[in-house]
Amino acid sequence: GAVVSQHPSWVICKSGTSVKIECRSLDFQATTMFWYRQFPKQSLMLMATSNEGSKATYEQGVEKDKFLINHASLTLSTLTVTSAHPEDSSFYICSARVTESYGYTFGSGTRLTVV
Amino acid sequence: EDQVTQSPEALRLQEGESSSLNCSYTVSGLRGLFWYRQDPGKGPEFLFTLYSAGEEKEKERLKATLTKKESFLHITAPKPEDSATYLCAVQAGRDDKIIFGKGTRLHILP
Repeated sequence: GAVVSQHPSWVICKSGTSVKIECRSLDFQATTMFWYRQFPKQSLMLMATSNEGSKATYEQGVEKDKFLINHASLTLSTLTVTSAHPEDSSFYICSARVTESYGYTFGSGTRLTVV
Repeated sequence: EDQVTQSPEALRLQEGESSSLNCSYTVSGLRGLFWYRQDPGKGPEFLFTLYSAGEEKEKERLKATLTKKESFLHITAPKPEDSATYLCAVQAGRDDKIIFGKGTRLHILP
């Protein structure tokens, strides 16, 4: 149980275009979803926290106009990278809190390459 | 400022050679410490949650322990399939968010 499905697994886009990444909780309701970014051989850096039905909370240094987060339902959160540039190329991962005892479950990640 | 430090950064072991990974933390009001395994190009896979000093949890060849300042992930008689990056994360204060360490890249040689 407690699966978060993330799509796409990888995407290549042209500089200046926008890319949407979806995360769905398959067998539980995710009130809160977290979005991370990970560079090669680095740890996960939290970008933003999204709560269902309200505006996302962004970490310091993360451009909210560039990384649009929507959490319109208890099972779906999306991250849209707008006007992508090569420096946005990274591994993006979503996560949701399942229960107090289980902890957090993660999506399988999306490898974004901007050319 | 809350901090999580993992050591070593990388570790190479022979198959069957037991060892321990360290996660030291400095946080206000620890609510939980988590261990995850991450394979290349994949999202982290949940291993353990620890809540209080003295707590221990085991799963196959892995055993996680917790003190007031650090956690250890002991790996006993590892196999090549245990090769991965092991991430430690903590949840503290009133936030739901968790803070990750940089991970330990473990490589088990056959």
